[in-house]
Amino acid sequence: AQSVTQLGSHVSVSEGALVLLRCNYSSSVPPYLFWYVQYPNQGLQLLLKYTTGATLVKGINGFEAEFKKSETSFHLTKPSAHMSDAAEYFCAVTHLFGGGNKLTFGTGTQLKVEL
Amino acid sequence: DTGVSQNPRHKITKRGQNVTFRCDPISEHNRLYWYRQTLGQGPEFLTYFQNEAQLEKSRLLSDRFSAERPKGSFSTLEIQRTEQGDSAMYLCASSSSFRASGNTIYFGEGSWLTVV
Repeated sequence: AQSVTQLGSHVSVSEGALVLLRCNYSSSVPPYLFWYVQYPNQGLQLLLKYTTGATLVKGINGFEAEFKKSETSFHLTKPSAHMSDAAEYFCAVTHLFGGGNKLTFGTGTQLKVEL
Repeated sequence: DTGVSQNPRHKITKRGQNVTFRCDPISEHNRLYWYRQTLGQGPEFLTYFQNEAQLEKSRLLSDRFSAERPKGSFSTLEIQRTEQGDSAMYLCASSSSFRASGNTIYFGEGSWLTVV
């Protein structure tokens, strides 16, 4: 069984400030972890993913995330927020061992960027 | 790579009617997934196919829902006797089972269903 918890359903930051969106996972086998972004009335766009190897992964639009096994976390960060970053962000987990790599999602974090 | 394509993008239907959504995955992808997303929630897994075989169905997929992928390419999701609780966005996604692909799942733009 696998699950994802995203702390904070709404996060508000000022333009230019650090963005930190939290994700903790639970998985009985080594996880694959993903962050997706969703703009209003659109599908999900992949931001970044961790499968194996380097634990700090860089994605599109200046986002990065660090896999910390000891903390079962995969928090998403961006040094300087931009107005265009306002969207909903979903953390998701899957694994390699059977189950077709289907994703289990968190409930999402709505990011608001203020001037 | 034209991405995952879904249609129709929006559908308004009366309660009790049947609706069908179509998904065209990325051409070289052998896995295809359907998810459902309601307002304020993350997507929830419904079912997935590997080639033409439907390998797993969620308990969310009641007997009013049926999905097919007859030739291992496009897929359809049909909802019979729609209910207001079926109102949601239905997301299709695809991936490749080959490790070289990195196991990344790509999503379409979604199909919004409103049952009135």
